[in-house]
Amino acid sequence: EVLLTQSPATLSLSPGERATVSCRASQSVNNNLAWYQQKPGQAPRLLIYEASNRATGIPARFSGSGSGTDFTLTINSLEPEDFAVYYCQHRRTDSWTFGQGTKVEIK
Amino acid sequence: QVRLVESGGGLVQSGRTMTLSCSASGFIFSRYGMHWVRQAPGKGLEWIAFIWADRNNKDYADSVRGRFTISRDNAESILFLHLNSLRADDTAIYYCARDGAHRDLDYWGQGVLVTVSS
Repeated sequence: EVLLTQSPATLSLSPGERATVSCRASQSVNNNLAWYQQKPGQAPRLLIYEASNRATGIPARFSGSGSGTDFTLTINSLEPEDFAVYYCQHRRTDSWTFGQGTKVEIK
Repeated sequence: QVRLVESGGGLVQSGRTMTLSCSASGFIFSRYGMHWVRQAPGKGLEWIAFIWADRNNKDYADSVRGRFTISRDNAESILFLHLNSLRADDTAIYYCARDGAHRDLDYWGQGVLVTVSS
C-alpha cells in the first residue's frame, strides 16, 4: 500500500500570498497523483490530475508539479475562496489512497 | 452536466444495516466506474469501495471489506452501498464519485451523513 504524507498540516497565509503544499509518497507513483480542494460543508473538487494537469474549469493560479515520490501543489496569489483543505490522492491497481489533508487558513 | 445525488443516510443503531443510493445524471453511467468515499467528522477522506463499469469487478478498503457491498443498476443509473454490521466508527459523510480518466475521481456528489449510535 502506498502511503501519502502531506505537509504542512496547516498553512496560515494572507490573500495574495503563495501557498505551497507538499505530498510525499512512500514509494514511487510516477505521475499518478491528483489534488483536490474541499471547502467546509462541500464535497471535494478535483483540481489537478496526473501531477500537473489542471482539471476542467480550474483557474491558472493552481499548479501541480513533481513525479516519483515528491509532489507540490502551488496556489499563486491566494484568493479568498482558496482558503480550504487540500488533499492529494493516488490510485494503485485496486486501491485509492488520500493524503491526510492540508488546511490553508487565513492568517 | 454531471450530477450525483446521494440518499438514504440517517441515524442507525450499531450492528444494523443501511443502504445508500447515488443517482447519476448528465453522463452515460454504464461507461464509468464509480466510487464511495467517506469522511468521519472532522477527519480526512477515506476511499472505501469501487465498482467497475461492467459491475463484475469490485474493490474494497480493508476497513469495510466483508461488511459493505457496492453495487449498481446501470439501467436506472444508480449506485448503491449496502452497509452491514455497522459500527460507531462508520459514522461519516458518504460521498459517491465518478472514476475519472486519469486515475482520479472527477465528479462528486454532495454527500450523505450516516450516524451509527451505540
